[in-house]
Amino acid sequence: QSVLTQPPSASGAPGQRVTISCSGSTSNIKSHAVSWYQHLPGAAPKLLINGHLQRPSGVPDRFSGSKSGTSASLAISGLLSEDEADYYCASWDGSLNGWVFGGGTKLTVL
Amino acid sequence: EVQLVESGGGLIRPGRSLRLSCAASGFTLNGYNMHWVRQAPGKGLEWIASISSDHTAIFYIDSVKGRFTISRDNANNSLFLQMDSLRDEDTAMYYCASEKGWDLGHFDSWGQGTLVTVSS
Repeated sequence: QSVLTQPPSASGAPGQRVTISCSGSTSNIKSHAVSWYQHLPGAAPKLLINGHLQRPSGVPDRFSGSKSGTSASLAISGLLSEDEADYYCASWDGSLNGWVFGGGTKLTVL
Repeated sequence: EVQLVESGGGLIRPGRSLRLSCAASGFTLNGYNMHWVRQAPGKGLEWIASISSDHTAIFYIDSVKGRFTISRDNANNSLFLQMDSLRDEDTAMYYCASEKGWDLGHFDSWGQGTLVTVSS
């Protein structure tokens, strides 16, 4: 059971928009930055949305992040087949004194 | 090009020790907090340890406290993870990741990982 809760799966057709949620608590998302990572099989995880909810250089503007209270969301618009991957949210947890990840969401492009 | 390369993984029996290394190139580790994150087979990412840029702050997930030790050698641009008393459940791909000390809150670079398999 992960400290941050994500749906295990999400899907959408090419060109559509999907949103992945990440639910936490006052000790993590509400009080600290949240970031998002894309993980393709056999590859290094990649920072998608940084703690300022901004895209690092090179990340397409189809990806966007938001945060409200104890929850955060990743939105992907104009879905492409290459977006098929696992997506993780992460935040520092002040009660645990450690980083916590969501359980990951497997995105399927239909 | 910024790069992190892990090494030291392998097949190891339960109860034995293993030392992982992470070599940085294209940038200096000075000023970066460094982290180890693992992914067990079929599972998600799990943070396990962090060390601040100046070595003064070190944190571990409870499941590895007292067994794993994170350390760094800024002069040689390297990060380490000493893993003792290994258990079957430590089997995972181990990644090192960097976090800029002047821009906290996210892991900006990751290595490709090194696989640790604990089995008798």
